[in-house]
Amino acid sequence: VQLVQSGAEVKKPGASVKVSCKASGYNFTIYALHWVRQAPGQSLEYMGWINTAIGITKYSQKFQGRVTITRDTSASIVYMELSSLRSEDTAVYYCARTAQWVFDYWGQGTLVTVSS
Amino acid sequence: QSALTQPPSVSGSPGQSVTISCTGASSDVGSYNRVSWYQQSPGTAPKLMIYEVSNRPSGVPDRFSGSKSGNTASLTISGLQAEDEAEYFCSSYTSSSTWVFGGGTKLTVL
Repeated sequence: VQLVQSGAEVKKPGASVKVSCKASGYNFTIYALHWVRQAPGQSLEYMGWINTAIGITKYSQKFQGRVTITRDTSASIVYMELSSLRSEDTAVYYCARTAQWVFDYWGQGTLVTVSS
Repeated sequence: QSALTQPPSVSGSPGQSVTISCTGASSDVGSYNRVSWYQQSPGTAPKLMIYEVSNRPSGVPDRFSGSKSGNTASLTISGLQAEDEAEYFCSSYTSSSTWVFGGGTKLTVL
């Protein structure tokens, strides 16, 4: 099992960022995929998840309206787009798979820097 | 959804035991046995150590154990080793069909 994320991004305040997570080594549509972020020196913060089989999403209330998670089942890729970026969104963004409510595999992380 | 509460730091000498608590609410830890624990070293992704309160994935030493009482889950590491020094996060499924993490606890092996 591997989750490989796209590379680091630098964005200006107010812009949007779209991070990808390519899954391999398992049946993509059997497991949900999630996004979790970690600001420098801070804890893990849950953002939301997608049912990869039917595309239904659920977002943490904090990010509702600003985050969109989508998937491309033909390519086994999940995307996370965060809009209206501000400096506080500077963080490492991780995708993670759940099996039986547990985050069993994680991507390597993508650093998103928001700076003017 | 508020973050689960963990102590910022704990410490112990090699061979000793330490326990890290994780306090949530009736809408998360208190309602579900879907609490897991993750170990994170600097610059790396979290690694699963305990799932469903007290189960260990293969490859995790049996020095790591978990429990839960009411709204509080706990991770105990016995026979501390230098390699256990890391940050530890708890996580729980919630009644909102999302997950929540704890604030993290830095373990120092003296």
